[in-house]
Amino acid sequence: QVQLQESGPGLAKPSGTLSLSCVVSGDSVGSDHWWSWVRQSPEKGLEWIGEIRYSGTTNYNPSLKSRVTISVDTSKNEFALNLRSVTAADTAIYYCVRRTLGETGGLNWFDPWGQGTLVIVSS
Amino acid sequence: DIQMTQSPSSLSAVVGDRVTITCRASQSIRGHLNWYQQKPGKAPKILIYAASSLQGGVPPRFSGSGSGTDFTLTINTLEPEDFATYYCQQSYSDPTFGGGTKVEIK
Repeated sequence: QVQLQESGPGLAKPSGTLSLSCVVSGDSVGSDHWWSWVRQSPEKGLEWIGEIRYSGTTNYNPSLKSRVTISVDTSKNEFALNLRSVTAADTAIYYCVRRTLGETGGLNWFDPWGQGTLVIVSS
Repeated sequence: DIQMTQSPSSLSAVVGDRVTITCRASQSIRGHLNWYQQKPGKAPKILIYAASSLQGGVPPRFSGSGSGTDFTLTINTLEPEDFATYYCQQSYSDPTFGGGTKVEIK
C-alpha cells in the first residue's frame, strides 16, 4: 500500500519561504510516476503546484513557477516543496500526491494523496 | 490553462436518489478527465479516471461518461457515505480542477 506523509512547519512568515517534505512508503520515488504538490484553499479551491520525477525533471504551475522549487531525494525516498515570498494568499492545506501514469495514451490521475498539512502565512 | 466548470456547485438529495454532476472543459481534453470524492477533513480520493474507468475498490454505483469537453459523474442509488464534495480534474495538460459539487442531505 502506497502512503505519502507531509511534514513541515504549520506557520510561515509573510515574505518568507514555505518548506515542506513528503516521505513515500510502499513505492519508490524512482518509479515511473510524477511526485506532485497540490494545495487547497477556500478562495482558490484545489490548485496543482508542480511535480518532479526521479530524474529531477520538474513541471510547475505557470502562476507559481517564479516562486516554486520542488526537489527529490531518492536516498530518503522523499520529495520536497519550497515556496518563496509567501503571502496570506498562500495559506492553504498542502497535499503531496503521486500522479499515477496509466499504461496508455498519456492518461494519468492523482492517487494516492497524503493526509495534507495546513500552512498558515502570518506574522 | 484549461478551465474546468462543474455544475451544480451544490445539491440536496436523499438516500436512494440518482445524482448527476457535470463538468465542462474550456477546450477539448479528449478522455483525460478524473473524478474525486472528498469528505470533510480528508484528502480527495480518486473515484474515476480516464472519464469512465472505475478505480479499484470504488463501488459500481459510481460511473462516469463523456469525452471532449463535456463529462458526467453519476451516482446511482445514493448511499449515506456518498454525501461529500466531488471534483473533476483534467489531465490533458497541466492539471486543473473544477470548483467542486457538494452533495448534501436533503
